[in-house]
Amino acid sequence: DAGVIQSPRHEVTEMGQEVTLRCKPISGHNSLFWYRQTMMRGLELLIYFNNNVPIDDSGMPEDRFSAKMPNASFSTLKIQPSEPRDSAVYFCASRGGRTEAFFGQGTRLTVV
Amino acid sequence: KNQVEQSPQSLIILEGKNCTLQCNYTVSPFSNLRWYKQDTGRGPVSLTIMTFSENTKSNGRYTATLDADTKQSSLHITASQLSDSASYICVVTFNNDMRFGAGTRLTVKP
Repeated sequence: DAGVIQSPRHEVTEMGQEVTLRCKPISGHNSLFWYRQTMMRGLELLIYFNNNVPIDDSGMPEDRFSAKMPNASFSTLKIQPSEPRDSAVYFCASRGGRTEAFFGQGTRLTVV
Repeated sequence: KNQVEQSPQSLIILEGKNCTLQCNYTVSPFSNLRWYKQDTGRGPVSLTIMTFSENTKSNGRYTATLDADTKQSSLHITASQLSDSASYICVVTFNNDMRFGAGTRLTVKP
């Protein structure tokens, strides 16, 4: 398995634009997590899905953020409209049962 | 409140020296605790996992300890190498959720 795959690796966009981050979890994993990492706040859990169903989205900063998981092999995190303070590295991770969480390489988002 | 706190925030040591990183948590009910290593520009990778009944676990030059009574864990790195320079993140799992510490940024200098 190629591991958790995220795209794009880097995204630079202008303030106000819509940004969509994509994640393909490891096949067979039933939990998927979206995290945001900044120097100031470290890793923050945004939302996690279990069997494609959002379980806890209390970490989503505000209504500009939304996440979907239409099937077991794909998830998106959307920011609309984006703001400079959204600049961070966004990680996706997946886990099967009680195994460790495997992380993708992250998407570095810069909003100018 | 379920929290994970790590110390120090950053650490600089010379190659070949040992160091110890600390993690305190208030998460309950506790399932397990993992130490992750995150190289710059990459996602975190698991080093060790500790369950409630385990006190010590080693993975090469990395040794993790867990005191479930005081809710403290440490990660000891022996004979540090330049490649150990990274962020080390403590992650505590409870129910089906995880809580991350802010990490310790370790720099190993020649």
